[in-house]
Formats: sequence, C-alpha cells, structure tokens
Amino acid sequence: QVQLVQSGSELKKPGASVMISCATSGYRFTSHSLNWVRQAPGQGLEWMGYINTITGNPTYAQGFTGRFVLSLDTSVNTAYLQITDLEAADTAMYYCARDLQQLVFDHWGQGTLITVSS
Amino acid sequence: QSVLTQPPSASGTPGQRVTLSCSGSSSNIGSHVVNWYQHVPGTAPRLLIYNNSQRPSGVPDRFSGSKSGSSASLAISGLQSEDEADYYCVAWDASLVSGVFGGGTKLTVL
Repeated sequence: QVQLVQSGSELKKPGASVMISCATSGYRFTSHSLNWVRQAPGQGLEWMGYINTITGNPTYAQGFTGRFVLSLDTSVNTAYLQITDLEAADTAMYYCARDLQQLVFDHWGQGTLITVSS
Repeated sequence: QSVLTQPPSASGTPGQRVTLSCSGSSSNIGSHVVNWYQHVPGTAPRLLIYNNSQRPSGVPDRFSGSKSGSSASLAISGLQSEDEADYYCVAWDASLVSGVFGGGTKLTVL
C-alpha cells in the first residue's frame, strides 16, 4: 500500500537549519509529484510548493522561496524539505503529500512538527 | 488573510445537511478546479472532493461538491459525529501562480 513516512519532530534554535524527510513506498516514485503543506499553530493549511519527481525540478509558492529547499533522493524514493535560518514563525506542522494532479493530494505523510525556540 | 474565503465555523446536528462555502475570484476558482480536504487535528488531511465535484473512492456519497462562477460549496448530508473536523478548499491561482487554500471552516456536530 502507498505510504509516506516523515521524519520525527525537531526542536531547533533560531538561525539553525532543519531537513525533513518524506520516505515513500508502495508505488512508482516518479509517477507522482510530491507537495509540501504547512500548518502553523492555530492556522490553516498553506501550500508550500512541490517537486517533480522525474526532473527533480522544484516549484515554490510565494513566501517559500530562499530559505526553503525541496530535493529528492530517487535511490531511496525520498523527498526532502530543508529550511535554513529558522525563525520562530517557521514553527509549524509540515506535511508531504503525493499528488494525482495539481493540488489533488491522495496520500499524505503523518506530519513533522518543527518547533523553533531559543 | 486567505485568498479563498471560508466561514471560520459552521455547525449542525446529527442527520442534518450542512453546506460549507468557499469564495474566490476569477483568477482562482473562476478559472480552476476546486478540491476539498477534511482535516481532523492531529491527523493527516484527507481528500474529500476533487475537480469541483468528484469523490475519491472510499469517500461516502454524503459528501458532495459544486462550483458556480468564483464560488464553490461542499455539502455534507446525514451529518455524523465523525464529520466534526476542519474543512479546507484549495484551488490554483493564476495571478499568484500558486496553490491557495481557504482559511478553513471548523465544523461542529452538536
């Protein structure tokens, strides 16, 4: 069965970096793009962007350029979200999600909580 | 402030029909399909409706979606206690060149 398993929660200090992994299984990795969605505490869902699993080309939503980097390791069917120069405002749950088509996410990771605090 | 506008809350009693709205503009809902997600806090969101009105397999036919102009709606009939969740609409926005979620509607089953 299709599974997306994300790495565990992390507590980071401001200015640090973090990398979240999204390990997939149960389907052909290159058949679907992988998207990332953020939910800050008390806030709604926010689309961050996606990465084309064939070309490795990332597309970022406004507000998620610069410090946010999407990448892949096709040898282990895993996608990554790296956030550099962390700020308190980056404290959120981050989800990866497989898409069937643009913004149609049929399988999701369980979420990774990133807490940024000094 | 979300590009897609959803009422922050809604409620209904078991068995009732409720309709959740999602309002946008010509650059998003007016020209692109709308999808809906159900999100129970602490769990991963679940796809409910895609392409305005299509239901994925496994989603009960109590859930239905529609779109008219720059607005979309999600209807839930025969409301059940397990329907208590946050509901989000999402669409592509051609002006922002980005996917945009609504702010979400928290549905309470009284």
